[in-house]
Amino acid sequence: NAGVTQTPKFQVLKTGQSMTLQCAQDMNHEYMSWYRQDPGMGLRLIHYSVGAGITDQGEVPNGYNVSRSTTEDFPLRLLSAAPSQTSVYFCASSYSMPGQGSSGANVLTFGAGSRLTVL
Amino acid sequence: AQTVTQSQPEMSVQEAETVTLSCTYDTSENNYYLFWYKQPPSRQMILVIRQEAYKQQNATENRFSVNFQKAAKSFSLKISDSQLGDTAMYFCAFMDWGGGADGLTFGKGTHLIIQP
Repeated sequence: NAGVTQTPKFQVLKTGQSMTLQCAQDMNHEYMSWYRQDPGMGLRLIHYSVGAGITDQGEVPNGYNVSRSTTEDFPLRLLSAAPSQTSVYFCASSYSMPGQGSSGANVLTFGAGSRLTVL
Repeated sequence: AQTVTQSQPEMSVQEAETVTLSCTYDTSENNYYLFWYKQPPSRQMILVIRQEAYKQQNATENRFSVNFQKAAKSFSLKISDSQLGDTAMYFCAFMDWGGGADGLTFGKGTHLIIQP
């Protein structure tokens, strides 16, 4: 059981280039999300999805696009990278809406992170 | 919007000592979840402990326990018999009870160093 898999782990881009961070989970989770982590800022939500075909914006969505064509995959696209997007990116998923129910089953599972540098 | 504040950017203790990490939060909600996540140098985010706001009993997980003070909006993490492997960033996080589609709101983290 691989859990949440992110690729690549490291990437260096030039300003204006585009790229896609991949996220895949094999746990049949409906809810998937992307966070970014900046020094001294904690993690902040970029986009999330509650199921295939459904996405919505989080706290810091500008400059990023997402789509959810399958339950397993939730890629994050940078259309024109900027130095301000230098960060560590985390994908996270849960079986259904995080927090629903009292059993604790819907706690988020995080991927290992992807470090992106934009020059 | 909720906010989470961790007032200790860095802490250092000797191995086997007990250490308490502070977290306060601000919300107008009555029901919610609180979490502590650990991030070791590997960068992986690992859930340490979870507390439902409606539960008065403080959560415990082996050497980790919390002191949840709902009226004071305080959620501290106590690590007993600290070990070298506890060295990591620790993040306090908040989530709405009613579905949490907006995900977790994180504090800025506390860097905990366990000295041999």
